[in-house]
Amino acid sequence: QKEVEQNSGPLSVPEGAIASLNCTYSDRGSQSFFWYRQYSGKSPELIMSIYSNGDKEDGRFTAQLNKASQYVSLLIRDSQPSDSATYLCAVNIGNQGGKLIFGQGTELSVKP
Amino acid sequence: GAVVSQHPSRVICKSGTSVKIECRSLDFQATTMFWYRQFPKQSLMLMATSNEGSKATYEQGVEKDKFLINHASLTLSTLTVTSAHPEDSSFYICSARSAASGMGEQFFGPGTRLTVL
Repeated sequence: QKEVEQNSGPLSVPEGAIASLNCTYSDRGSQSFFWYRQYSGKSPELIMSIYSNGDKEDGRFTAQLNKASQYVSLLIRDSQPSDSATYLCAVNIGNQGGKLIFGQGTELSVKP
Repeated sequence: GAVVSQHPSRVICKSGTSVKIECRSLDFQATTMFWYRQFPKQSLMLMATSNEGSKATYEQGVEKDKFLINHASLTLSTLTVTSAHPEDSSFYICSARSAASGMGEQFFGPGTRLTVL
């Protein structure tokens, strides 16, 4: 079992819809969770971080964390074509010198 | 805040030469920097973790004598690809973790695209 798993996609949603990206992790000791956006040919950009169970909202983005289910998600409201990118889920397990464990990424395509 | 720069952004070199890539945290002190490599259509692959003033920790399968890492200060880490070969052609990305960050955010540089002829 991979430490951090994401559906590779591609996930296709129409413009204006809600895009839902999911991530599961295997280590119950994981302490902090991050979502990065990576446009094709570019480096990852941090868009959300979450540490406690529940929801965290920032503009059109909402991160949801459920530690009991070992599940973290990212919702993008009012999706725009400019949101089309690969979204990487990353987990800080806490005992590996600050390393982040990345999922394989989910490719999101927002159709006009 | 949390800006990380990399230089050069793109480099083309001949097989057998060495290439140095610089990674700088511009507005924060980075106790730890990380070096990744990414091949087309693949996810990030962590190569090594670099702590200021100490030797880098390399991931399994990464040759430490080929990929030399120096983290000389809290704002600068360098990766030198020695005796580069075409199979080393890839997108090299550094990230930095702030000394003030308790939860492990990493901020990425823009990456360096290396092409070895």
